Amino acid sequence: EAGVAQSPRYKIIEKRQSVAFWCNPISGHATLYWYQQILGQGPKLLIQFQNNGVVDDSQLPKDRFSAERLKGVDSTLKIQPAKLEDSAVYLCASSLQRGQGRDTEAFFGQGTRLTVV
Amino acid sequence: AQKITQTQPGMFVQEKEAVTLDCTYDTSDPSYGLFWYKQPSSGEMIFLIYQGSYDQQNATEGRYSLNFQKARKSANLVISASQLGDSAMYFCAMRGRDTDKLIFGTGTRLQVFP
Repeated sequence: EAGVAQSPRYKIIEKRQSVAFWCNPISGHATLYWYQQILGQGPKLLIQFQNNGVVDDSQLPKDRFSAERLKGVDSTLKIQPAKLEDSAVYLCASSLQRGQGRDTEAFFGQGTRLTVV
Repeated sequence: AQKITQTQPGMFVQEKEAVTLDCTYDTSDPSYGLFWYKQPSSGEMIFLIYQGSYDQQNATEGRYSLNFQKARKSANLVISASQLGDSAMYFCAMRGRDTDKLIFGTGTRLQVFP
């Protein structure tokens, strides 16, 4: 079974530029997450989708971040304009379902390491 | 609000010894799930073990076991017979029934030495 695919793996941009990340979840996984992991910290949830609807985006800085999940499969996360503090690893994850239970564990991609200079 | 606390920034253990990584949590949800993930230096998050709040027995997966003490709101990870490849960051995470967010602690860096 193929895992969660993310691209690019690395990105360096100047502040005020825009950037987009792409994620392809595991086939059949209805729930998709985007996390931001700043160096030395745990992942912080930015947005959670159930199919193509948003479940939670309370911690997404909506003035600069946007995300979409077309047709309930692939997802893109965009930052425009980027700030220095956006430097982090952006992790995409998917799970078979929400709630509790053995099938609710999230499977993660390798992440995109963003450096804003 | 949900919260995960990992109070050990770093831990050392000798190869073949057992080690316990601490995790405490706070939630008002009556039903919730607890997860542990491993993050090697390569960056990917690897799922290790799951414990449901209503599970009667502590979860085990190979060399990993979860010491779940519901009254104390703790979900410590026990790694038996440590291996050099266990050196990594370890994150405790929780999802509640009502909030449904998967939230993470700050992690513990484990180093296994020969």
